[in-house]
Amino acid sequence: NAGVTQTPKFRVLKTGQSMTLLCAQDMNHEYMYWYRQDPGMGLRLIHYSVGEGTTAKGEVPDGYNVSRLKKQNFLLGLESAAPSQTSVYFCASSQTRDRVEHFGDGTRLSIL
Amino acid sequence: EDKVVQSPLSLVVHEGDTVTLNCSYEVTNFRSLLWYKQEKKAPTFLFMLTSSGIEKKSGRLSSILDKKELFSILNITATQTGDSAVYLCAVHSGVGGNKLVFGAGTILRVKS
Repeated sequence: NAGVTQTPKFRVLKTGQSMTLLCAQDMNHEYMYWYRQDPGMGLRLIHYSVGEGTTAKGEVPDGYNVSRLKKQNFLLGLESAAPSQTSVYFCASSQTRDRVEHFGDGTRLSIL
Repeated sequence: EDKVVQSPLSLVVHEGDTVTLNCSYEVTNFRSLLWYKQEKKAPTFLFMLTSSGIEKKSGRLSSILDKKELFSILNITATQTGDSAVYLCAVHSGVGGNKLVFGAGTILRVKS
């Protein structure tokens, strides 16, 4: 009964490096989301997916790419990390578009 | 631009007190309002509200929505130290698909 699992939990990068964050859900949900959470700003939507093979931009998509090749996995990529991308990243999934109930435990990413 | 504002930003109460957290919003095509509790990691879903005037209740927590005045409140009665957390309000806007706009959160600390 894992729910939504994010890997890694922590990562430190240097400016310009690339990396991929993995989100996996075992609930057969159609919708998956990537958010970032910064102090005093709540969660902001980066990208989302409404089903396998689909992705769409959210509120703050610049500097990120995503892929949803398998229904259970949603990958978030940083092509060339910048200090402004230092944040806590949350993945979420839902069966319906209205009720986002399931979040992962987050990935704390620091870019130096 | 869609906006969700929570107040107060933070508050400290004693065990047994009753607290009221506020959430006001301005969004296009309102679909629903959601409340979450966030302790150290993932936000935990509390309530989803879609209709004005209908109270949702779960134990000591309750919430109500006013779609005319564009706000919601979350009440916690007989607070306990385990209620200490960040409480997030989010509003789902139907325009553009899947947009969940979060407020910055209210930090609640319950002292024993």
